[in-house]
Amino acid sequence: DGGITQSPKYLFRKEGQNVTLSCEQNLNHDAMYWYRQDPGQGLRLIYYSQIVNDFQKGDIAEGYSVSREKKESFPLTVTSAQKNPTAFYLCASSDIPSGTEAFFGQGTRLTVV
Amino acid sequence: AQSVTQLDSQVPVFEEAPVELRCNYSSSVSVYLFWYVQYPNQGLQLLLKYLSGSTLVESINGFEAEFNKSQTSFHLRKPSVHISDTAEYFCAVRETSGSRLTFGEGTQLTVNP
Repeated sequence: DGGITQSPKYLFRKEGQNVTLSCEQNLNHDAMYWYRQDPGQGLRLIYYSQIVNDFQKGDIAEGYSVSREKKESFPLTVTSAQKNPTAFYLCASSDIPSGTEAFFGQGTRLTVV
Repeated sequence: AQSVTQLDSQVPVFEEAPVELRCNYSSSVSVYLFWYVQYPNQGLQLLLKYLSGSTLVESINGFEAEFNKSQTSFHLRKPSVHISDTAEYFCAVRETSGSRLTFGEGTQLTVNP
């Protein structure tokens, strides 16, 4: 089955710890995205990547880091510098040249305890 | 920079009533426009999209949206809603020359019996 897989579905982190969220796609899409979702604030763009080994900051990149070493993988690290990391995180991918829509994973809910 | 504004955060309606969810965007260049739907604790699913051509686009489950360039709007409509349409709806924009995908704040549609 083609699609995007995010893992884990639920994640708990202690304050001061870094944590990495996984996102893998087998759609052969060039572009990948990370969004953060909070109630009443919609989806806010954290980072996005158009090609391997290249990525751009979105609107709320502070406290987050990413890598794009492989086309199919775009992991997101939530660092201890992120002051309010509890949220629902969504990964997406898109085939830019053809202008099609973005496909989303099922999300990871991160809770700081 | 592009931006999206969804004018209503919550829209309650009765079953079989018509509904309109409003979306306005801002961009200095040509854009692609999308509507997504999200059910609780899930990722987003594409509802419909405007890429080019006819300004009226339709989904398979009775929703339609009209691209109005002069008013920079892409409102979503359905003539008769069902209980199962209860969900959060997101409008999104992407410039035709880029990969950055920007979402609005979302509209919670609640259909009551």
